Amino acid sequence: GQQLNQSPQSMFIQEGEDVSMNCTSSSIFNTWLWYKQDPGEGPVLLIALYKAGELTSNGRLTAQFGITRKDSFLNISASIPSDVGIYFCAGPLSTQGGSEKLVFGKGTKLTVNP
Amino acid sequence: DTGVSQDPRHKITKRGQNVTFRCDPISEHNRLYWYRQTLGQGPEFLTYFQNEAQLEKSRLLSDRFSAERPKGSFSTLEIQRTEQGDSAMYLCASSFEETQYFGPGTRLLVL
Repeated sequence: GQQLNQSPQSMFIQEGEDVSMNCTSSSIFNTWLWYKQDPGEGPVLLIALYKAGELTSNGRLTAQFGITRKDSFLNISASIPSDVGIYFCAGPLSTQGGSEKLVFGKGTKLTVNP
Repeated sequence: DTGVSQDPRHKITKRGQNVTFRCDPISEHNRLYWYRQTLGQGPEFLTYFQNEAQLEKSRLLSDRFSAERPKGSFSTLEIQRTEQGDSAMYLCASSFEETQYFGPGTRLLVL
């Protein structure tokens, strides 16, 4: 089935550093979503991208929708301890039943050392 | 709080017991999804409702699983005769169009 490949799997950084992570797919997606998940909680939407080439910011977060529609990256600038968590990329797949079910990557686990 | 809510947040049960989880979506959202997430993985799609109609089910949803959304608002997910392999986080999401918003999840542990 459809899979999204996220890299890196994990990152250990110092507070204040910038972070970059990406997501690739063998198939085209028309939307890319980035979520953050804290332990024991559900994913929280960070950024949604709807157009190829689109660059969108949300505070210290910036994400881009690749021009080929097969990749996306997420940057976090000036990381702080509360950025710790698992970051997932996701893309919707249209199905015969009319759903836009999301396919997720395996996540990038971010650890920030104060 | 007008986000997606799920109840209970945690459930511990013995193998063979039945469990039921509830999801209350964001009120104006007509689409509701259930996902399952195991350790180290992203969420995986289980089933989809548009209003009260269940329009899609994943092959992950064995016949021990059943989901309902009787009035097109809240939804329930029932697992009958639970097995240890059912231990996971069960996530509900709702949307009006493409962008899905997730609840906090129900973590199930089957002993």
